[in-house]
Amino acid sequence: SQQGEEDPQALSIQEGENATMNCSYKTSINNLQWYRQNSGRGLVHLILIRSNEREKHSGRLRVTLDTSKKSSSLLITASRAADTASYFCATDLYSGAGSYQLTFGKGTKLSVIP
Amino acid sequence: ETGVTQTPRHLVMGMTNKKSLKCEQHLGHNAMYWYKQSAKKPLELMFVYNFKEQTENNSVPSRFSPECPNSSHLFLHLHTLQPEDSALYLCASSQESMRGNGNQPQHFGDGTRLSIL
Repeated sequence: SQQGEEDPQALSIQEGENATMNCSYKTSINNLQWYRQNSGRGLVHLILIRSNEREKHSGRLRVTLDTSKKSSSLLITASRAADTASYFCATDLYSGAGSYQLTFGKGTKLSVIP
Repeated sequence: ETGVTQTPRHLVMGMTNKKSLKCEQHLGHNAMYWYKQSAKKPLELMFVYNFKEQTENNSVPSRFSPECPNSSHLFLHLHTLQPEDSALYLCASSQESMRGNGNQPQHFGDGTRLSIL
């Protein structure tokens, strides 16, 4: 079953602007992850934030997590044309016997116009 | 170079054919996954091999058969597929702990684009 859902579905911005994508999920989590997928390629892991963390940075990426609202946001600052891609949030869903499976949303398609 | 290599990159097959997708990871990870990515649908987990044992099979039709001969290699054997099976098939690997503290980052291959005629 789908756990995470990104918003908006598509986002178009000018180069240099900031891009914000949101993710909402349904059940409690251990970790939340963000991934990027360029057209025709596999997913690339960007950042993992644990349930006891509120904010995490990696270069131009900033991720926040609000477990009370079951939501996360990904901010890309000073966007570049190379940031054009689809972005997915993924949460771990307990599947029994100590195992978790990563469930993904449908993604946000980001277009950065030069 | 992602550390996870999938072959072939593209595959066109008829519904009665038998083919196999191959995945190899060079990262020393202990878990490998098959996902299906269809247009306008979330990524679907098909199979999980953790420490070489299959731990998840998310109600995947028997026309898909996984094989994990060792911790570095994963296959997906295909037999009598349907047109709705056309999709991008992604392989991933990760280093999971025994503690059960949630999923670790997964490293993906670039996928096999499968088209069923």
